[in-house]
Amino acid sequence: SQQGEEDPQALSIQEGENATMNCSYKTSINNLQWYRQNSGRGLVHLILIRSNEREKHSGRLRVTLDTSKKSSSLLITASRAADTASYFCATDAVVVQGAQKLVFGQGTRLTINP
Amino acid sequence: DGGITQSPKYLFRKEGQNVTLSCEQNLNHDAMYWYRQDPGQGLRLIYYSQIVNDFQKGDIAEGYSVSREKKESFPLTVTSAQKNPTAFYLCASSIDRGTGDQPQHFGDGTRLSIL
Repeated sequence: SQQGEEDPQALSIQEGENATMNCSYKTSINNLQWYRQNSGRGLVHLILIRSNEREKHSGRLRVTLDTSKKSSSLLITASRAADTASYFCATDAVVVQGAQKLVFGQGTRLTINP
Repeated sequence: DGGITQSPKYLFRKEGQNVTLSCEQNLNHDAMYWYRQDPGQGLRLIYYSQIVNDFQKGDIAEGYSVSREKKESFPLTVTSAQKNPTAFYLCASSIDRGTGDQPQHFGDGTRLSIL
């Protein structure tokens, strides 16, 4: 099963509103990353938060991490039409032959209505 | 401009045919990955390679094969043994220090369909 689970699966809001997406995971992690995927394109890295960090900002993005609840949230403030995309969290909890590999959740599909 | 190039963008496979998806990167990254994405789903890891001439199976390697003869290139072959190959295939690369704290850079994918 997927390590990361995003919630909600889909979110539709008006331009200018804030959008919040959540990610829960099952086992201990060192890092958690958020990615964006526009329709029919590859993923683009947004932000990485380490297990010893609680909050991180990048422009209009704010990510929080609660390791006690095994959850993270991504907040996009003052949303724009260009923010319409799917957003994925990825955790590094799985170790395969000495190498940590990312495990992606199923994503939240965000639609910003003009 | 550095990046990852996947080709072709669209690919059609006939019954019993093997097809190869190309992935080239000029980011000088050691690690490369292949993922499969089904509609409305997340990414599942097919194969990954941390270094030239070495690669490891991911979660869904059956019916796929890879090679890593050059640092820049990591082609994926979808064999006839893969009975449900219709999906969006994404290639990625990263600096790999085995610490899990490096972002992955993605190509724009290849959409594979059955004829």
